[in-house]
Amino acid sequence: DIVMTQSPDSLAVSLGERATINCKSSQSILYNSNNKNYLAWYQQKPGQPPRLLISWASSRESGVPDRFGGSGSGTDFTLTISSLQADDVAVYFCHQYYTTPNTFGRGTKLEIK
Amino acid sequence: EVQLVESGGGLVQPGGSLRLSCVGSGFTFKNFDMSWVRQTPGQGLESVADISTTGDLIYHADSVKGRFTISRDNSKSTLYLQMNSLRGEDTAIYYCAKDRVVGPSPSPIDYWGQGTLVSVTS
Repeated sequence: DIVMTQSPDSLAVSLGERATINCKSSQSILYNSNNKNYLAWYQQKPGQPPRLLISWASSRESGVPDRFGGSGSGTDFTLTISSLQADDVAVYFCHQYYTTPNTFGRGTKLEIK
Repeated sequence: EVQLVESGGGLVQPGGSLRLSCVGSGFTFKNFDMSWVRQTPGQGLESVADISTTGDLIYHADSVKGRFTISRDNSKSTLYLQMNSLRGEDTAIYYCAKDRVVGPSPSPIDYWGQGTLVSVTS
């Protein structure tokens, strides 16, 4: 199984500042034939299911604020929130769908400093 | 509006059984692969079982193989998870999840149900 390692486990950032969350896969999740990375990012707030923010490593879903951005390729990926808002307090997960079984990172808890 | 509504969770003793159901609406259910994903505070998110549009391709995690069975009834837009021989470590919130991409291609999950809690305890 592909292991997804997220860092840090938790993060406290001041309002308006940048938040950066990392995710590393134990093997490449870049499909060479289409040059796509099979990596998604989700946001989960207490008592709610995860919400898809970004797919294919960098493609923002409709309705997701443009302060959320995804980057990276191969085995190393980053979710960046360019200017943290109070509504962004949540746990963030990465997810590889390159192969079965799909696997998830253990989550990064983002809080306001 | 896409909706996934789970039911069937609850409290059960070790060795017992439960059947989870998930009714999908707001999309053409038969066109999408579906899955069950569970979440625990300690283990995070785990893909438990996946099923293709017609049910001909099925995946079960090693942790549940031989005990859980995923199935679907496209005529009822319903996904199922039959859970037998339940163990304490199966205690979790179980989410029904829909693939974003039509058909068999690898896909992120774009919609999740609200989840149903399964608690296995004596």
